[in-house]
Amino acid sequence: DAGVIQSPRHEVTEMGQEVTLRCKPISGHDYLFWYRQTMMRGLELLIYFNNNVPIDDSGMPEDRFSAKMPNASFSTLKIQPSEPRDSAVYFCASSPGQADTQYFGPGTRLTVL
Amino acid sequence: ELKVEQNPLFLSMQEGKNYTIYCNYSTTSDRLYWYRQDPGKSLESLFVLLSNGAVKQEGRLMASLDTKARLSTLHITAAVHDLSATYFCAVHLLSFTSGTYKYIFGTGTRLKVLA
Repeated sequence: DAGVIQSPRHEVTEMGQEVTLRCKPISGHDYLFWYRQTMMRGLELLIYFNNNVPIDDSGMPEDRFSAKMPNASFSTLKIQPSEPRDSAVYFCASSPGQADTQYFGPGTRLTVL
Repeated sequence: ELKVEQNPLFLSMQEGKNYTIYCNYSTTSDRLYWYRQDPGKSLESLFVLLSNGAVKQEGRLMASLDTKARLSTLHITAAVHDLSATYFCAVHLLSFTSGTYKYIFGTGTRLKVLA
């Protein structure tokens, strides 16, 4: 299995631009998670999906952030407009069941100038 | 407030020594996870602890769970340089406020093993 795939691996953009991060979960995993990691705030859960349906988005920081999962093999996290404080590493993870171990992707390092 | 605290935050130790990392959480959880993260890399699962008194061991690492004390420990035996990484605990619990399950990660413990 290829594991969780994320793209791009690095993204540098200017403030105000739209950013889209992509994730392909492990096939057969029903849960998909988006996390953000920063030095100041650590690892934060932004949103998670079960069978493509968003279950808890209470961690999404602002309306500028949105996430979708149009099918079982693809999810996006969009930031519009981006701000410098959004700079972080964004991880996608998937798991077979709700309480199972999560498998993390390699992450996307986002820098907003 | 749902909190997961680890200590110490930073740990520098000599090879061959033993040490323990502590993970305290603020409310009832039905399971606890330990992950490892190498610098600039992703997180990798180490252990899942499912019940009170659970103990799991892999190589030089041993994790245990005391649900009554809301405490998990990660014990390192005879540390080697390859164990240098950041270790996270995480809890899975039901939020009665939102009615959804939460996944909360600890602050992480950055371990450096000196040769």
